[in-house]
Amino acid sequence: GAVVSQHPSWVICKSGTSVKIECRSLDFQATTMFWYRQFPKQSLMLMATSNEGSKATYEQGVEKDKFLINHASLTLSTLTVTSAHPEDSSFYICSAYRGTANTGELFFGEGSRLTVL
Amino acid sequence: KQEVTQIPAALSVPEGENLVLNCSFTDSAIYNLQWFRQDPGKGLTSLLLIQSSQREQTSGRLNASLDKSSGRSTLYIAASQPGDSATYLCAVEGSQGNLIFGKGTKLSVKP
Repeated sequence: GAVVSQHPSWVICKSGTSVKIECRSLDFQATTMFWYRQFPKQSLMLMATSNEGSKATYEQGVEKDKFLINHASLTLSTLTVTSAHPEDSSFYICSAYRGTANTGELFFGEGSRLTVL
Repeated sequence: KQEVTQIPAALSVPEGENLVLNCSFTDSAIYNLQWFRQDPGKGLTSLLLIQSSQREQTSGRLNASLDKSSGRSTLYIAASQPGDSATYLCAVEGSQGNLIFGKGTKLSVKP
């Protein structure tokens, strides 16, 4: 079946550094990918919708300059947390549609846990 | 390995009916369970979060219950409306902090 791969699964970084998380659709092309984050004991929340070849659409309250999303190909979207701070420590997960928006199936990556020291 | 199953895969009901969506998981060692709504082409919308120490959560016409020992959760939707038509997903957070999703139940509420 279709697989969405995220890398890295775990990352620890120093405050002020930038971290890139990759989301790949391994056996299908995904024109639309989604990025979510989940803080401890809170719900998973949508951060942004990533569209191949165009700018991402960010949810209210998500800083586009801090969370850079690039969807340069039909199989890869990246999320870069710039100048990370401890409050950015969270679980980040992506999902991708296989098929059309109305009839496609949504697949999830396994998530990336970011810890900022 | 944790597995999450949702039954039924699809459900069609007339407007006004009360309905129950089911979610089961194989490993009871979970931190929490979440229910989401997915509209076609859109990202997930969080509906309810139940911590492992809780048994239920309510929000408006939605009520979710959790029975960890039996590995089950239900999402109850009261007085369903056509606007409730969507795919409903449940996900459990495991001991390693990862999220395991079910395949979802596609709900259609007919006027």
